Formats: sequence, structure tokens, C-alpha cells
Amino acid sequence: EVQLLESGGGLVQPGGSLRLSCAASGFTFSSYAMGWVRQAPGRGLEWVSAISGSGGSTFYADSVKGRFTISRDNSKNTLSLQMNSLRAEDTAVYYCAQGRTLFHYWGQGTLVTVSS
Amino acid sequence: EIVLTQSPGTLSLSPGERATLSCRASQSVSSSQLAWYQQKPGQAPRLLIYGASNRATGIPDRFSGSGSGTDFILTISRLEPEDFAVYYCQQYGSSPLFGQGTRLEIK
Repeated sequence: EVQLLESGGGLVQPGGSLRLSCAASGFTFSSYAMGWVRQAPGRGLEWVSAISGSGGSTFYADSVKGRFTISRDNSKNTLSLQMNSLRAEDTAVYYCAQGRTLFHYWGQGTLVTVSS
Repeated sequence: EIVLTQSPGTLSLSPGERATLSCRASQSVSSSQLAWYQQKPGQAPRLLIYGASNRATGIPDRFSGSGSGTDFILTISRLEPEDFAVYYCQQYGSSPLFGQGTRLEIK
């Protein structure tokens, strides 16, 4: 059974940083691209970032380019999202998902709140 | 940039009825790159349909997708109580994009 478990969310001040992690199990992690999708409170879904199975290719939405960095550790089956220069509009539940643009499996999400 | 517009915003139906949800794109979308997701309150989205008409693993056959070009449809043939949720369409080309969602509520 595919399982994706996010962690690392919390309250951070504007301009601050936060690192999200996603622990994957139930599939051959290195064989799959992985991504992050977020959902602001009461709003729709927004694709954030993705990374190839090897980690050699990364992709970002314009809204986070230059501020967020996606990475993965295939030896630990872990996906990460380093978020810098956070803004109020980055407040959302962040979901880890299997895939680069089409997402077959999703984690339960971790809430990031950017507020002073 | 492609814009996906879902209609209606809210659909009120009763269990046993047929639901028809629409997703219209501002530019032609390859039908191989159109998906539908279901999201229930407090839960992560779940993939229902990909490639416009292919059911994902474990999805009941009362869910079907159709369409091409700029107009796509998700049909739920006979609503079950657990089907009342928010539904999102998504084009999953190089810059993936979601529609704003259709809320399916119990009448």
C-alpha cells in the first residue's frame, strides 16, 4: 500500500523559512517523480513543485520559483521542500504526491501558516 | 496560459440521481492530459479519472469521463451518499493547472 506522510508544517513569520518532509513507503520511491501541491484555506488546488525520480530535474510554479527548493533522498525514501522568504499567501496545506504532473497518490497534508 | 473553468460551482442532487460536471479550457487540452479528482472535507484529493476517460485504480464504474479539445465532462451515473464532495479537473501538461472545483451537495 502506497503511503505518503508529510511533516514539518507550522507557524512561521513572514520572511522566515520552513522545511517540509514527506516519508514514502509501499512503492519503489526512486522510480517515481514526486511533487508538492498546496491548498490555501477554503481555496482550490495549486501545483507547487516536482522532481524527477533521480532528482536530476526539478520544476517549480512561477509563484515559488527562487524561494522554494525541492529535493529527495532516494536512500531514505524521503521528499523535501525547503521554503524560504515565506509570504502570507504561502499559507496552505501542503500535500506530497506521487507523480510529476499527474498525481495518483497523495499524503494527508501538512499545514503551513505564515503570519506575524 | 490555459484557464480551466468548472461548472456549475455547486450542484445539488439526491442520492440515486445522475451528476454531470463540466470543465472547460480556454485553449485546447490534449485529452491525454486531463484528469479529475475528488476531495472530501479534511481529506486529500483522490484521483478518479486520467487521460480524460480512464478510471484510476479502485474507482467504481459509476464514475466516467469524456470530452476532448476544450470541453470535458465527469459523469456519476447514480449518486451514492459517499460521492458528495468537491471535484476538480486538472490539465497535467508541463505546467499543471487545476480548475476551481465543483461542490456536489445533497439536495
